[in-house]
Amino acid sequence: QVQLVQSGAEVKEPGASVKVSCKASGYKFTTYGINWVRQAPGQGLEWMGWISAYNGNTDYAQKFQGRVTMTTDTSTSTAYMEVRSLRSDDTAVYYCARDELAVPAYWGQGTLVTVSS
Amino acid sequence: DIVMTQSPESLAVSLGERATINCKSSQSVLSSSNNNNYLAWYQQKPGQPLKLLIYWTSTRESGVPDRFSGSGSGTDFTLTISGLQAEDVAVYYCLQYYSSPYTFGQGTKLEIK
Repeated sequence: QVQLVQSGAEVKEPGASVKVSCKASGYKFTTYGINWVRQAPGQGLEWMGWISAYNGNTDYAQKFQGRVTMTTDTSTSTAYMEVRSLRSDDTAVYYCARDELAVPAYWGQGTLVTVSS
Repeated sequence: DIVMTQSPESLAVSLGERATINCKSSQSVLSSSNNNNYLAWYQQKPGQPLKLLIYWTSTRESGVPDRFSGSGSGTDFTLTISGLQAEDVAVYYCLQYYSSPYTFGQGTKLEIK
C-alpha cells in the first residue's frame, strides 16, 4: 500500500532553514508527483508547490518562490522540501501528498515545524 | 489565484440526518479538454492528515462510504453526507486543482447535534 513517512518535528530559530523529508513506499516513486501543503496551528490549508518525481520539474506557489526548494532523491524514493529564512509565521504542520489523477491523494503524517527564538 | 469559499463555517446535524457543505470558486474549475471539474473534497480529523473523499467533483475515492457524495459544476459545488454517523465528525475542505496555485476552502467543522 502507498505510504509516505515524514521526518520528525523540528524547532528552529528565526532566520534558520529547515528541510523536511518524505519517504515513499508501496509504488514506483518516479511515476507520480509530490505536493507540499502546510497548515498553521488552528488555521486552514496552504498549497506550497509540487515536484515531479520523474524529472524534478517544480511548480511553486508564488508566495514561496525563492524561499522554498523542493527536491527528490529517486535512489531512496524520498522527497524533500527546504524552507529558508524562517519566520514565526512559518510555524505549521507541513504535509507531503502524492498525486493520483492530478489530485493530492495520499498524505504523509505531517511534520510540525516550530519557529521560535 | 482562484479563491474557494466554503459555507457554512460550522454545522451541527443529528445522527442519521443529512449534512450539506457548499464550496464556491471565484473562477470556473471546469476543463474544456476533458469536461472534468477539478474539485476535490477532504476530511480531516484532529491530529490526522487529510483524507481524500471525492475528486473530479463526484468520484468517490476507493473505500469511501457511499453516504458521501459530491455534485456541482463550474463554480458551485456541494458535498452531501447522507445518514450522518458519529465517525463523520471532522473538518471538511474543498480543493481546486484546476490551476496553480491549488487553493483550499477555509473548512467546515461538522458536529453532531
